Amino acid sequence: QPVVTQEPSLTVSPGGTVTLTCGSSTGAVTSSHYPYWFQQKPGQAPTTLIYDTVDKHSWTPARFSGSLLGGKGALTLSAAQPEDEATYYCFLSYSGVYVFGPGTKVTVL
Amino acid sequence: DAQLVESGGGLVQSGGSLRLSCSVSGFTFSAENMNWVRQAPGKGLEWLSYIDKTSDNIFYADSVRGRFTISRNNARNSLYLQMNSLRAEDSAVYYCAIGYGASWFFHWGQGTLVTVAP
Repeated sequence: QPVVTQEPSLTVSPGGTVTLTCGSSTGAVTSSHYPYWFQQKPGQAPTTLIYDTVDKHSWTPARFSGSLLGGKGALTLSAAQPEDEATYYCFLSYSGVYVFGPGTKVTVL
Repeated sequence: DAQLVESGGGLVQSGGSLRLSCSVSGFTFSAENMNWVRQAPGKGLEWLSYIDKTSDNIFYADSVRGRFTISRNNARNSLYLQMNSLRAEDSAVYYCAIGYGASWFFHWGQGTLVTVAP
C-alpha cells in the first residue's frame, strides 16, 4: 500500500502565498497519479478544489492552483484569506489503489 | 439542487453488520461513478471503495476488502455499502461522493456516523 505524505501544518499571513505538497512513497508524483486536492473545514464535509493535477471546479477560488513541483503534487494558495483556514488533503491514484494523504492544517495568521 | 444524502449509520456491536445508503438527486446518477470515503473522529480521510456507472469496475481499500461490499441501484438513484464483521476501528463518518466528467469527487454528501462498540 503506497503512503502519501503531506506537511502536517503550515501558516500563512493574510494576503500571503503558501504551497502545500503531496509526496508518494513509490517515487515521483506525476500526472498519471491524477492528484486531487480537497478542503475540509471543521464539522463540514470535504469539498474538491483541484482534480487531475491542475483542473478546477467552478466553485474553486482562482487563488488556488494545482501543479507538479519537484516530484510532488502541489497546491498553491495565493493571496490567502481568513476563510482559507482549513485542512487540505491530497489524493493519489495507483492503478486500482487510491490513497489520501494525512492532511495539512493551514492556519491564516 | 444537487444532493447526496447518506443514511443507515448508527451504533452496532463489534462483529455486526450495517448497510449504508446514499440517495442522489440533481444528477444523472446512472451516468456517474461513485465513491465511499470515511473519516474516523479527529482523523484524516480514508478512501474505501469505488464503483463505476455500470458496476463493471469495483475497487476496495485493503482495510475493507472482503468485509465491505459496494453496490448501486441506478433505477433508485442509490448507492450502498454493506459492512460486515465490523470492528471498533471502523467507527467513522462515512461519506459518499459522486463523480462528474473527469472528476471522481464532484460532490460530497454530509456523511453518516457509524459507531462500533467494542
